[in-house]
Amino acid sequence: ETGVTQTPRHLVMGMTNKKSLKCEQHLGHNAMYWYKQSAKKPLELMFVYNFKEQTENNSVPSRFSPECPNSSHLFLHLHTLQPEDSALYLCASSQDREGPLHFGNGTRLTVT
Amino acid sequence: GENVEQHPSTLSVQEGDSAVIKCTYSDSASNYFPWYKQELGKGPQLIIDIRSNVGEKKDQRIAVTLNKTAKHFSLHITETQPEDSAVYFCAATQNTGGFKTIFGAGTRLFVKA
Repeated sequence: ETGVTQTPRHLVMGMTNKKSLKCEQHLGHNAMYWYKQSAKKPLELMFVYNFKEQTENNSVPSRFSPECPNSSHLFLHLHTLQPEDSALYLCASSQDREGPLHFGNGTRLTVT
Repeated sequence: GENVEQHPSTLSVQEGDSAVIKCTYSDSASNYFPWYKQELGKGPQLIIDIRSNVGEKKDQRIAVTLNKTAKHFSLHITETQPEDSAVYFCAATQNTGGFKTIFGAGTRLFVKA
């Protein structure tokens, strides 16, 4: 049990679908993150929320839309994705922006 | 911006041997260096970290060393075991105009029994 739970674990979607990824952390942390992990590439930071406010958007295409309704939950809404968006999407949390990250086990996304 | 290079990309060792993974960073403002282990089907998990005011840190079979002058840091695993087989990531974090954590590309470690 990592303390950060992601659902679903696997997702296959067509390019015209709309789906959402969910992340929940039980650690009482103040910051939450979405990362994209592709084969043979470093982890790519997508979004950062600190105290429920979005503080970073690293030039992520608008087909990815984050939502943070409270400090324990984070969503990533997906629509009209491309095949190159297929990857492992990792959610993470940290006590503050300086501390270590606690990752969930990710959602393996395949776009067909 | 910060750039973190990690070597080697793949490392194979015999059980009981030591393994060393090295990372270099470019921005001298980086002051926090965590290491993560990612097993198959799981997210990365923190295994050890070091801050820039310390040169070495040890936790049982794993240790991390930091050379701020040369801007490199290394992970050392002694008496390797098959369960050490995983992908290891280094990272460098700085706080200049906002926190930034940059990850290395990862090292796949195989420990042969």
